[in-house]
Amino acid sequence: KAGVTQTPRYLIKTRGQQVTLSCSPISGHRSVSWYQQTPGQGLQFLFEYFSETQRNKGNFPGRFSGRQFSNSRSEMNVSTLELGDSALYLCASSQTGGGDEQYFGPGTRLTVT
Amino acid sequence: QKEVEQDPGPLSVPEGAIVSLNCTYSNSAFQYFMWYRQYSRKGPELLMYTYSSGNKEDGRFTAQVDKSSKYISLFIRDSQPSDSATYLCAMMTSSNTGKLIFGQGTTLQVKP
Repeated sequence: KAGVTQTPRYLIKTRGQQVTLSCSPISGHRSVSWYQQTPGQGLQFLFEYFSETQRNKGNFPGRFSGRQFSNSRSEMNVSTLELGDSALYLCASSQTGGGDEQYFGPGTRLTVT
Repeated sequence: QKEVEQDPGPLSVPEGAIVSLNCTYSNSAFQYFMWYRQYSRKGPELLMYTYSSGNKEDGRFTAQVDKSSKYISLFIRDSQPSDSATYLCAMMTSSNTGKLIFGQGTTLQVKP
């Protein structure tokens, strides 16, 4: 069974631009969670989607948004990029999101200049 | 105070040693506990998953959860240089769907 895939793997953007990251979950998994990983803050939860609905949200500004499609693939968007948005963005999939195992993708490394 | 505390290390051990990694937490509602291994510039890899209290063994890895003490552990037996990585504990409540709370991660180096 294929694992979680994320595209693109690397991205360089300029302050003020916007970016869209994509995540394809493991086949059969309906929950997708997004995380931001930085050296200073570690892994922090952004939001979780299940059946095309956002069920949970972390403490990030509204510039961070996401969506999920009917095939469970998910995208996250960051608008008006700031230097502090430079991070590794990880998505994880699970069958239900309700306490079952979460499997992570390789991440998208975003650099904002 | 962070919800999950984990000593960042680094922890350096000789090959073949038994490694003990630990996390403490403050939220008694946590019920699901996971350990991940993350190599540099890679995504976290799920090693162990435990629901509620108790022990779980998988090969060289043993996970323990003590909910009364709010303390979880991961033991690695016969450690290998390939085990050199950052180990992250993570936990979740039953009501906060999809949201894992992570420790800071412990950097482990196993020397040949």
